[in-house]
Amino acid sequence: KAGVTQTPRYLIKTRGQQVTLSCSPISGHRSVSWYQQTPGQGLQFLFEYFSETQRNKGNFPGRFSGRQFSNSRSEMNVSTLELGDSALYLCASSSERGAVTGELFFGEGSRLTVL
Amino acid sequence: SQQGEEDPQALSIQEGENATMNCSYKTSINNLQWYRQNSGRGLVHLILIRSNEREKHSGRLRVTLDTSKKSSSLLITASRAADTASYFCATLDTGGFKTIFGAGTRLFVKA
Repeated sequence: KAGVTQTPRYLIKTRGQQVTLSCSPISGHRSVSWYQQTPGQGLQFLFEYFSETQRNKGNFPGRFSGRQFSNSRSEMNVSTLELGDSALYLCASSSERGAVTGELFFGEGSRLTVL
Repeated sequence: SQQGEEDPQALSIQEGENATMNCSYKTSINNLQWYRQNSGRGLVHLILIRSNEREKHSGRLRVTLDTSKKSSSLLITASRAADTASYFCATLDTGGFKTIFGAGTRLFVKA
């Protein structure tokens, strides 16, 4: 079974630009969560989607948005990038049971650098 | 604020020694999990312990849970250089559908 796939793995943007990150979950997993990881703040929850519906959202400004498609693939978008958005963005998928227990399967992440 | 907080923040040991990491959390839980992250990579799920369990083993890993103290510990026995990584405890937010991670313990195992 293929794991969670995130694209792109690395990207560099400048302040004010926007970025879209993609995540393909493990086949059969319908829950997708996104996290931002920085050295100062650690792993911060962004949002969770299940069957195209956002079920939970973290404490991030409206510049951070996401969506999930009918095939469970998910995208997140960050608009008007700021230097502080530089981070490793991690996507995780889980089965329905995993979404209840918290057992997540992570991708390798997309490392975003904002200049 | 984060649900789980690990202690110590960093740990350096020799190969063959045991490594113990501790985690404290704030609210009641149904289960607690430990994850591992190699530098700059994704997290890997190691073990889940339920609130009605006190101890759980998986290979060289031993996890304990004390719900009265709201704490858990992860013991890695006979550590190897390949165990060098960051280790995180995680719990499910009471609102559901949101796993919260602690700040992590950075383990360095010297060969």
